[in-house]
This record gives sequence, structure tokens and C-alpha cells, in this order.
Amino acid sequence: DAKTTQPPSMDCAEGRAANLPCNHSTISGNEYVYWYRQIHSQGPQYIIHGLKNNETNEMVSLIITEDRKSSTLILPHATLRDTAVYYCIVRADTSGTALIFGKGTTLSVSS
Amino acid sequence: DTAVSQTPKYLVTQMGNDKSIKCEQNLGHDTMYWYKQDSKKFLKIMFSYNNKELIINETVPNRFSPKSPDKAHLNLHINSLELGDSAVYFCASSRGFSGGNTIYFGEGSWLTVV
Repeated sequence: DAKTTQPPSMDCAEGRAANLPCNHSTISGNEYVYWYRQIHSQGPQYIIHGLKNNETNEMVSLIITEDRKSSTLILPHATLRDTAVYYCIVRADTSGTALIFGKGTTLSVSS
Repeated sequence: DTAVSQTPKYLVTQMGNDKSIKCEQNLGHDTMYWYKQDSKKFLKIMFSYNNKELIINETVPNRFSPKSPDKAHLNLHINSLELGDSAVYFCASSRGFSGGNTIYFGEGSWLTVV
């Protein structure tokens, strides 16, 4: 699976948009981009994933560049409860693959 | 109802003991996983089962043995516990075992070996 690069930490003011970048320049055509987050002392929580197109759900938007070499997770109105470690993971659409977690980005939302 | 549930949530035990962590999912998924998160917070895959068959077996000591009695359960048995086994163990599941299937995690089991 392709490797991802994320900034180690980011700060965001409550109510503002949080834009979390992820670089995956070696991604191949059959690899999905997954985003998870882990709030302190909880299990990893699935957020969203995409292959080529941008994706949106009730919580976030995922913007994938046209060349697929990078993506941005957007939390449109961050709250204190969004403080967590956010993981960007690339996972091949082949059998027998698991999520390989990196160090992620620690997002701190403050009032 | 919790989709992926693990028991116990907390476990404190002495070195040399044998212990088990149980995992159950009620999502009707075919694939289950065990992950380990160490003190440095790195999450690492240990095992994966699909339809009760082992499909991923990372470099894990033989003291760790997963057992899948049916598709809904994947238990982790650990023999001769060592101090370095102290970690948080997460169970997870997905509909299938290819990359397009979202993996859902349990809340973790905190193991402390003293």
C-alpha cells in the first residue's frame, strides 16, 4: 500500500473549518483513500473514504486532487469534540489487505 | 447495540499468566481483525480472519493465538504474558476482506501486565 504523509499537528478554532491535508504521491489506481480518527481512549472511528471522486457525508468532505496524489479532509464547523488524531490511509482494493496506520495528525480544537 | 464489542475492557494480570480477550460483531460481517496499539500509540495489524479462515498473520509471537469459532467471533488468546504485551488491543470487522470494504473498530481492551 502507498505511504501517506500528514502534518503531525494542527490547531483550529471552534466553529471554523478544519482542513487536514494528506500526501499520497505514490498511490496507484486501485487504492482507496480512507480517513479515520481516534478520540482519546476510544477505538478508531471511520470517517469517510474515496477512490477518485470527492466525497461528502453529514460530517465531513473529502477532496481528492485530480492526479490523486493528495487529499484534504474538511470538517466544515469544527467543535471541541472533533479534537482527535486523524489518520489518512491508502488501502489497495485487493484481497487480504488491512488498514496500515501511520502517525496521523493531532487536531486540537479550542474555544 | 454495540456493533463490535470486546471483553474485558480492562485487564490487569501478572507476567506468565494466560489470558483471553473476546470479540463479537453483530454486523453480519465476514472478516474480523485484531490490532495492537502500544504505548507510543502506533496501531498495528496482528491478525485477520475471513469466514473463520486466517488470511493475515503479521509477525506476532507464537504466544498470541487467534481463534474464530464462527464468523461473528474472533478471540485472542495470549500465553505466558510478558511486560511488553501491555497495550490496547482493538478488534475490528468488515463485510469483506478487499480494500473497498470499510473496517469498523471496537472500543478496545486495555491489557496491563505487571
